[in-house]
Amino acid sequence: EAGVTQSPTHLIKTRGQQATLRCSPISGHTSVYWYQQALGLGLQFLLWYDEGEERNRGNFPPRFSGRQFPNYSSELNVNALELEDSALYLCASSLSGWGETQYFGPGTRLLVL
Amino acid sequence: DAKTTQPPSMDCAEGRAANLPCNHSTISGNEYVYWYRQIHSQGPQYIIHGLKNNETNEMASLIITEDRKSSTLILPHATLRDTAVYYCIVYPYQAGTALIFGKGTTLSVSS
Repeated sequence: EAGVTQSPTHLIKTRGQQATLRCSPISGHTSVYWYQQALGLGLQFLLWYDEGEERNRGNFPPRFSGRQFPNYSSELNVNALELEDSALYLCASSLSGWGETQYFGPGTRLLVL
Repeated sequence: DAKTTQPPSMDCAEGRAANLPCNHSTISGNEYVYWYRQIHSQGPQYIIHGLKNNETNEMASLIITEDRKSSTLILPHATLRDTAVYYCIVYPYQAGTALIFGKGTTLSVSS
């Protein structure tokens, strides 16, 4: 069974640009979570999507946004990139419902110059 | 903030059992204990979880104390590939809850 996949693996942008990161969940999973892991810091929760809707977001500014498509894949968009947005962005998926285990993808490493 | 306390680092000889402790003294009745690990710059890998009974799978065993205030992850025969940061997380039985990662324990397995 294929795991969570993310693309691209690496992304280099300059300050002020927009970045789009993609995630495909495990087949049958309808919930997608996005996390940010900045260098030397822990994983921080960004967004949760379930059944096509944004259900919850972490303490991040509105320039971090995303969506979930009918096939449950998801996009994370980061507008007006800042240097401190450089981080590993991780996507996780789970079965919809209560307290389901989250499974992570390999991540997208974003570098903002 | 993370609701767990773990030692920052541990060492283990290859082939020996690695026992990673975790304190979660404020755990609630509806919270599971989850363990993940992260090998350098990769996505966290799910290992095991439990509520109050001991659990075992092909990767590890999880021992939870009767009062549920602490637990131990056991890797029965550690290999060099088990070198990673191990995270103990309490996770409520609640839809869409984010995982709250602390600093974890860096396990170094050496030959």
